[in-house]
Parts: sequence; C-alpha cells; structure tokens
Amino acid sequence: DQQVKQNSPSLSVQEGRISILNCDYTNSMFDYFLWYKKYPAEGPTFLISISSIKDKNEDGRFTVFLNKSAKHLSLHIVPSQPGDSAVYFCAARTSYDKVIFGPGTSLSVIP
Amino acid sequence: DTGVSQDPRHKITKRGQNVTFRCDPISEHNRLYWYRQTLGQGPEFLTYFQNEAQLEKSRLLSDRFSAERPKGSFSTLEIQRTEQGDSAMYLCASSAPYREIYYGYTFGSGTRLTVV
Repeated sequence: DQQVKQNSPSLSVQEGRISILNCDYTNSMFDYFLWYKKYPAEGPTFLISISSIKDKNEDGRFTVFLNKSAKHLSLHIVPSQPGDSAVYFCAARTSYDKVIFGPGTSLSVIP
Repeated sequence: DTGVSQDPRHKITKRGQNVTFRCDPISEHNRLYWYRQTLGQGPEFLTYFQNEAQLEKSRLLSDRFSAERPKGSFSTLEIQRTEQGDSAMYLCASSAPYREIYYGYTFGSGTRLTVV
C-alpha cells in the first residue's frame, strides 16, 4: 500500500511563474514531511521539511503547506527557474522511523 | 563534510552472479540507510543501521540480500544469485538522528545495477 502519493507524474511551468507540487498521504501517524529534489544521475537532495504541528514552512523561494485534516501537502516554488527542473519527491516519517517516499513528480521549467 | 560515497557507480552483471556495493557515509553520521529506486518510482526502503546494529529490514529484502556495517563505519550491500528484477538504482544515505528532522538524510549518488 502506497502511504505517500504524488498523483501528477509530471508538471510543466513557465519560468518566473509558480510551481505547485502536490502530495497526499494515508498514515495519520506521520509527524514530519519532507521534500527532496533529484537531478539525473545524482542522489536525492533534501529541500525542505515541515512538522505536523505546523501548517506552513518557508525557505527562500520554497514554501511547503500542510493540511492535516485533508492529509495533503504541497510545495510551492516562486518564482520558478530553469534550474528547478528535476524530479521532486514528497516523503514522510513517523518519529525516529525511516522515511517513506512518494513516486515523484518531474518538474520542467520552460525558459 | 565530504558527502556520502558509493562504489561502484555502475555495475553490469550476468543473472546468477553475486554483486557487492559499498557505501561510505559522512563520518559523524551514525545512521545509515539503503534504498532501492526503480524507474518511475520513489526510493524504497531496504534496511538501516544505527552504528553497527542493523535495526530494520524491509520485507522487500529477500534472503538473497544481505547488508553489513562492520565497526559502524562503511556499509556493504550484497546481492546473491542476481535476477533481472534486481536491476535498479541502489541508494545509500546517512544521517545524524538529532539533525534528521531538520536536514533529512544525505544521499550518495547511487549504484546503478543492470542484470543481463
């Protein structure tokens, strides 16, 4: 059973516009959520995280929103840049347990 | 911080052969994780170590897979009698538990296994 879902396999956005990547989860015991970014031939790189007690966390151009009642989170990238083109993984964990990843969304930012 | 190193980067092997991968974590990280990623999927958890103790193994990890972390430093992942379904990217990651929440894991670049 897939506990972390990313229903959009791909997304294309114009440079300078907002990119919104969505993620849904099923396990209500998750207490931290993370986003990772992956370029081809490299390992995933940690991007941003959010605790389940918060509903928003911001780091520069990246903001993650959490809606616990809907078991939904989203990553906003504003403004989008061509270098943001990568695969983005939503991930989640329970306390001191391993991280579970979603299938990823491939973002293309068009110049 | 020299990052997480994995060796080799690529491995092509014939079905039925044994293969071994190595991971060198960041030196001050006491947790080490192995994940496997296939095309179009996210990384799937295989196993993890805290220091030299292997604390959890996924049910995905058949008896043909074994992992070790002697002395709590580098780790090896061995696959015996490889099958074509083992073809994947094998990712190693390390972390320090008190930093994990804020900084996540640090992944290596992975070992790409192709079984022919």
